[in-house]
Amino acid sequence: DVVMTQSPLSLPVTLGQPASISCRSSESLVYTDGNTFLHWFHQRPGQSPRRLIYRVSNRDSGVPDRFSGSGSGTDFTLKISRVEAEDVGVYYCMQYRHWPHTFGQGTKLEIK
Amino acid sequence: EVQLVESGGGLVQPGESLRLSCAASGFTFITHWMSWVRQAPGKGLEWVAHIHPDGSEKKYVDSVKGRFSISRDNAKSSVYVQMNSLRVEDTAVYYCVGWDQFDNYWGQGTLVTVSS
Repeated sequence: DVVMTQSPLSLPVTLGQPASISCRSSESLVYTDGNTFLHWFHQRPGQSPRRLIYRVSNRDSGVPDRFSGSGSGTDFTLKISRVEAEDVGVYYCMQYRHWPHTFGQGTKLEIK
Repeated sequence: EVQLVESGGGLVQPGESLRLSCAASGFTFITHWMSWVRQAPGKGLEWVAHIHPDGSEKKYVDSVKGRFSISRDNAKSSVYVQMNSLRVEDTAVYYCVGWDQFDNYWGQGTLVTVSS
């Protein structure tokens, strides 16, 4: 199975400050058509996950533009330009290039 | 408004069976892949199974292969997972997920507890 490794696993951030989460895959996530199959999700406490970013860098509808995704091949990053209180929770990267689809361990963002 | 409503969770003993259902609305069900993703208490996410829009392709994670069976009824906009020979380690919230190349919709989840 493709292993997705996130870092850090815990991310204390001051309100208004930037945050960055790294995600590395054990195999390339590039498909034969050139697309890269990597999503980012956010799960607030007690809620279902919600996708934020699809195919590395595309924001889902309604996702604030302070969220951005980047990367290629096996190395990816989710950045929050200015953290707000509603951003707390766990962030997961997920690959769907290979079966089984696999998630990273999750990065818990909390406000300092 | 998109809705995915799971049902069928509960408490069962090891070795018993359970069938989860998910009723979808608010999107074009017949064009979307449907999946089940689970989350053990306090743990991360695990993609369990998925099914092609026309039901022609089904895939399972190794830990449930031979025990779980995913199916769908496009006329009812519903997806199911039959879970047999349940184990303690299958205890989790099970989420129904509908997706295509652009969309990604999640239900609220249903809790399955396997315990003696």
